[in-house]
Amino acid sequence: AQSVAQPEDQVNVAEGNPLTVKCTYSVSGNPYLFWYVQYPNRGLQFLLKYITGDNLVKGSYGFEAEFNKSQTSFHLKKPSALVSDSALYFCAVRASGGYNTDKLIFGTGTRLQVFP
Amino acid sequence: DAGITQSPRHKVTETGTPVTLRCHQTENHRYMYWYRQDPGHGLRLIHYSYGVKDTDKGEVSDGYSVSRSKTEDFLLTLESATSSQTSVYFCAISESTGLPYEQYFGPGTRLTVT
Repeated sequence: AQSVAQPEDQVNVAEGNPLTVKCTYSVSGNPYLFWYVQYPNRGLQFLLKYITGDNLVKGSYGFEAEFNKSQTSFHLKKPSALVSDSALYFCAVRASGGYNTDKLIFGTGTRLQVFP
Repeated sequence: DAGITQSPRHKVTETGTPVTLRCHQTENHRYMYWYRQDPGHGLRLIHYSYGVKDTDKGEVSDGYSVSRSKTEDFLLTLESATSSQTSVYFCAISESTGLPYEQYFGPGTRLTVT
């Protein structure tokens, strides 16, 4: 069965420091991986995705993610955190099977808190 | 929120009453989804649709039904609401099958069942 794990409920980082939000996955076949961000009282916003090719994926708002097949990880990173990056971040993997669907399996989320 | 609206945005209802949530899109996307978001669980898929009148169950479909009579509208019905269905409900859309297109989410509906 496909699954996604976000091992940290919360990540705290000082503004200007690099940040990493961790994600590991389990999926049969090739993984399609996504990161979303949720600001308070809002829906999820798409940040970036990995389909194939370059292991380093760049996305919105200066975020990037590194796909590591051997470690089955897809960690979200940003070189210099902003207070405005404080939000809830979700990793998701596309479920395999069922050619008529595009179902995503979501992690439980990691709350990022960036302190001034 | 990418041409997706949800109504109502907030609702309080009593146990045992029927409730219908509406998702409306202006993007003409084929796929539509209903999720619920609960602390500690992330987002869980309730039902999804891959075309008009084509729907299927997700991982937490018990107690919910859906209908899609038009491309732009996807309705989620709680036939007899229970307190365990208190949650935030999100609708999402995506373009097509085959390639793994990202999903775009609506603003959510906060439902409280008392």
